[in-house]
Amino acid sequence: SQQGEEDPQALSIQEGENATMNCSYKTSINNLQWYRQNSGRGLVHLILIRSNEREKHSGRLRVTLDTSKKSSSLLITASRAADTASYFCATAPYNQGGKLIFGQGTELSVKP
Amino acid sequence: EAGVAQSPRYKIIEKRQSVAFWCNPISGHATLYWYQQILGQGPKLLIQFQNNGVVDDSQLPKDRFSAERLKGVDSTLKIQPAKLEDSAVYLCASSLYLGETYEQYFGPGTRLTVT
Repeated sequence: SQQGEEDPQALSIQEGENATMNCSYKTSINNLQWYRQNSGRGLVHLILIRSNEREKHSGRLRVTLDTSKKSSSLLITASRAADTASYFCATAPYNQGGKLIFGQGTELSVKP
Repeated sequence: EAGVAQSPRYKIIEKRQSVAFWCNPISGHATLYWYQQILGQGPKLLIQFQNNGVVDDSQLPKDRFSAERLKGVDSTLKIQPAKLEDSAVYLCASSLYLGETYEQYFGPGTRLTVT
């Protein structure tokens, strides 16, 4: 079963704009991860945030985690056409040995 | 380092036929996962191995799906007999250890079409 719900399902922006994607989940987690999937390809890990962390940065990516609201957001700043992809949040439920439960994904389109 | 390898990349079969997918994880990765990704959805875990033992197969349709990881390295996933609803991309992933803080590395996937 899918634990995460992502919002929006699709997002279209212009190059240079910021993109924000949100993820909500249901159970207690050890960590939350974000992955990117380009059309027809495998998933690429972007960033991992642990349950005791509130914010994390990696290059143009900023992830926040609010465990009290069971939600996370991914911000991509100064987007580029190459950022066009589907973005998935994946939760690692507490004490389940690294198992990941993926959300439905947000399809991001960045127009040049 | 070499990534996760999967073959074949594409497969088309008729319903009720059987099919097998192969995965070679990153060298030294103890944990291996098989996911099913239906078009428009996120990946769903089918089975998780730690070395050659099964950790979680709670979402594997065991009446038709089977998987093994002999010698704790390569793995095969088999479907027999296939149904139309099995059309999906089958992704293999590996991670360094069984644990809750390690990222997973994904292969390119096998796109299965059942007609």
